[in-house]
Amino acid sequence: DTEVTQTPKHLVMGMTNKKSLKCEQHMGHRAMYWYKQKAKKPPELMFVYSYEKLSINESVPSRFSPECPNSSLLNLHLHALQPEDSALYLCASSPGPWETQYFGPGTRLLVL
Amino acid sequence: RKEVEQDPGPFNVPEGATVAFNCTYSNSASQSFFWYRQDCRKEPKLLMSVYSSGNEDGRFTAQLNRASQYISLLIRDSKLSDSATYLCVVTAGGSQGNLIFGKGTKLSVKP
Repeated sequence: DTEVTQTPKHLVMGMTNKKSLKCEQHMGHRAMYWYKQKAKKPPELMFVYSYEKLSINESVPSRFSPECPNSSLLNLHLHALQPEDSALYLCASSPGPWETQYFGPGTRLLVL
Repeated sequence: RKEVEQDPGPFNVPEGATVAFNCTYSNSASQSFFWYRQDCRKEPKLLMSVYSSGNEDGRFTAQLNRASQYISLLIRDSKLSDSATYLCVVTAGGSQGNLIFGKGTKLSVKP
């Protein structure tokens, strides 16, 4: 089973809203990742959690705040987003840091 | 030079054709190499890892040439369901293993 789940599938939010994206995996993977993907572009790495600790933050604005409550869950808290933040947000996990990554179906976010 | 370069395509081929994708990477310290496929509005799915010895999975064959920093993917007897964007992916190298994605090559298989 290589399933990574993400909720919600779609999200529409205003620039003053606060929302959270959730990601879950039950494969015992110890590394989890957040990516952002704009249309016709490849995914861009945002954050990496390794053994539940944040190991990489790719200069992402503070309006994106990641959280890893336990080894199976990864959240991305959103606050005061801009319309240009509209994108597909992908979560991925891997058995260990930098091993083969498996992606969830993504959350398609629209910021109005 | 871009870190991972691919021909963006699109490649429009008839069913049954053989199609080859090429990819070059700039960081000689990269350790791991992959091909992912991504369908429209879906997540990337791992197609195969790529090894120096080459590897084959059914109709798909991947090759890695470390000396030339070149990766290839060959699809034989292409099916309509092979239509997708194929992403060449390498790790950043050194102590960093984050994935570096190519921009993808779009394949369209026609009846």
